Amino acid sequence: EPEVTQTPSHQVTQMGQEVILRCVPISNHLYFYWYRQILGQKVEFLVSFYNNEISEKSEIFDDQFSVERPDGSNFTLKIRSTKLEDSAMYFCASRPTQQYYGYTFGSGTRLTVV
Amino acid sequence: AQRVTQPEKLLSVFKGAPVELKCNYSYSGSPELFWYVQYSRQRLQLLLRHISRESIKGFTADLNKGETSFHLKKPFAQEEDSAMYYCAPGRVTGFQKLVFGTGTRLLVSP
Repeated sequence: EPEVTQTPSHQVTQMGQEVILRCVPISNHLYFYWYRQILGQKVEFLVSFYNNEISEKSEIFDDQFSVERPDGSNFTLKIRSTKLEDSAMYFCASRPTQQYYGYTFGSGTRLTVV
Repeated sequence: AQRVTQPEKLLSVFKGAPVELKCNYSYSGSPELFWYVQYSRQRLQLLLRHISRESIKGFTADLNKGETSFHLKKPFAQEEDSAMYYCAPGRVTGFQKLVFGTGTRLLVSP
């Protein structure tokens, strides 16, 4: 069964550093998402991406965050200057069409900012 | 405001017992409803969606629009059902952002 792949599984970074979280969505999927889950809290929507542009973003997704699909297969989330409160599990998800209900999630990247 | 309430953080039952994981939502319009499951150290997986009227692994969920609830049920719990369960409504149109509840940990003991 096709999977959404995320790398790395765990990243530790110093406060103020830039990080790039990588995702390879399922190949025929068209809609892409990033969610995050701070330890002990609920899964929160960050951003959705379609047709090479952001379609919706949450209040969390401020100027420190950016997404891109640089080569047609990877889907990246960049945090420009990490803060301690960015420590969380980041999930990538994709789905094939607008008519298909439900996503396929990746296994997540645990980001620890120290 | 969009909000999902899963009142139980932990639900502990014995194998063979019935389970009901509660979900109440507040969402503008008529959302589609989903349940996602996360087994230990694994990814979030779609368990079931209301539109499909399906039963997966013996779980069913009934949408009650009057009470805005979408409780997940299983008549006889199994040990392998132990996991985190998340209720998530989402828009039917547009880019289908999901709003997740805080989750309920189901622990099924032998």
